[in-house]
Parts: sequence; structure tokens; C-alpha cells
Amino acid sequence: AQSVTQLDSQVPVFEEAPVELRCNYSSSVSVYLFWYVQYPNQGLQLLLKYLSGSTLVKGINGFEAEFNKSQTSFHLRKPSVHISDTAEYFCAVSEGAAGNKLTFGGGTRVLVKP
Amino acid sequence: NAGVMQNPRHLVRRRGQEARLRCSPMKGHSHVYWYRQLPEEGLKFMVYLQKENIIDESGMPKERFSAEFPKEGPSILRIQQVVRGDSAAYFCASSLQGAPGYEQYFGPGTRLTVT
Repeated sequence: AQSVTQLDSQVPVFEEAPVELRCNYSSSVSVYLFWYVQYPNQGLQLLLKYLSGSTLVKGINGFEAEFNKSQTSFHLRKPSVHISDTAEYFCAVSEGAAGNKLTFGGGTRVLVKP
Repeated sequence: NAGVMQNPRHLVRRRGQEARLRCSPMKGHSHVYWYRQLPEEGLKFMVYLQKENIIDESGMPKERFSAEFPKEGPSILRIQQVVRGDSAAYFCASSLQGAPGYEQYFGPGTRLTVT
């Protein structure tokens, strides 16, 4: 069974500083990888996804992520954060054999400080 | 183009009552997924439905929980005889296709509180 681990539950960061959110997954087959953002009391919004092809994926709001098959990782980065990036971020995978259902990590709460 | 709609947004039930959560997928989407988010945790898959069919219910608790997606109308997640442990945010998502990799669009969630 697949699982997703987000190593950091909380990440405080100053405005305009870079941020990296770590995500590792375990799966023995091909996976599709996603990052979602959740603002307070709202649903999830897709930031980016990796299906195949280039391992560097660019998403919305200046975020990007790199798929590393050998390390089974899909870390999310942003070179310069804004106050508005304060939110919870979830890494998720779907495994081909299991259909399109998503397995989520526990989430990383990003708090951007002025 | 309206997104995924869920109602009610907040629901309070006493222990033993029934809770009904509704989800209207995006226009043109016939694939619906329900997820539960317990406090301070990530989302956990519950059930995947297509019109009139349950495709995958591997994440549904064995008792008290049921889901449907009728030919007409919204998808319904029903929880009978609620207990305090059912307090959570329940999210519905829809997608255009059910194949892996298709984007799921999430609704704003229903926050259920059991008193």
C-alpha cells in the first residue's frame, strides 16, 4: 500500500525567503504526484502535479517541485514567499493500480512572518 | 462555471442523530470522491462513486456510513447514529475522468461537529 510522509509538520519562514517542503512516498509501482494548498476553512486547490516527463514541474503562484524516483521524493519549493502563502500544504499520490483515489501526507503548515 | 459545491458548510449533530452531507460536482464531471480530514491530520480517502455506482469504498468505515450518487441530484454521504469521533471536515472532489492522474477539484468541505 502506498503511503506519503511529509517530514515537517510546521515551517515558519520570513517573507521573501525561500521555502522547501519535503515529501516522500512509498510505492512499488508508477505513481502520479500532486501538491495541494489549503487556506483556512477552505477546500484544497491544486498547485502542481507530476504525471510523466520532465522531473521539474512548475505550478501556480511561483511554486515548483522536483520528482526524484531514486529517492522517492517530490519536494516543493518557492524561491521567495509572500505573506499570502501562509497555508497548509499537502502532498498526495495516486497509484495506477488503485485508480484515481489520492493518498495524502499529513500536511505541512507554512507560516510566513513579516 | 461553478465549482464543486457542498452543503451544509457546517453541521452540528447530537450523538445518535443522522448526518447527511451533500456534494454537487463540477458541471460535466461524473466521478465523485469523498475524503475525511480529522483534526490536525491529512485527508483520508473514503469512497469513489460514479453515477449510480460505488466504484471503490475501501476507505469507508464498515458500519454507519454510506454513500450514493444517484442519476439525478447530488452525491450524498450519510452517517447514521453519529458519535463524537465522527467530528471532522468532509471534503468532496470531482473529476472529469476516473483514470489516474486526472485532476480532482475539491469543494469547500462540510465541518461536522458531534456534541
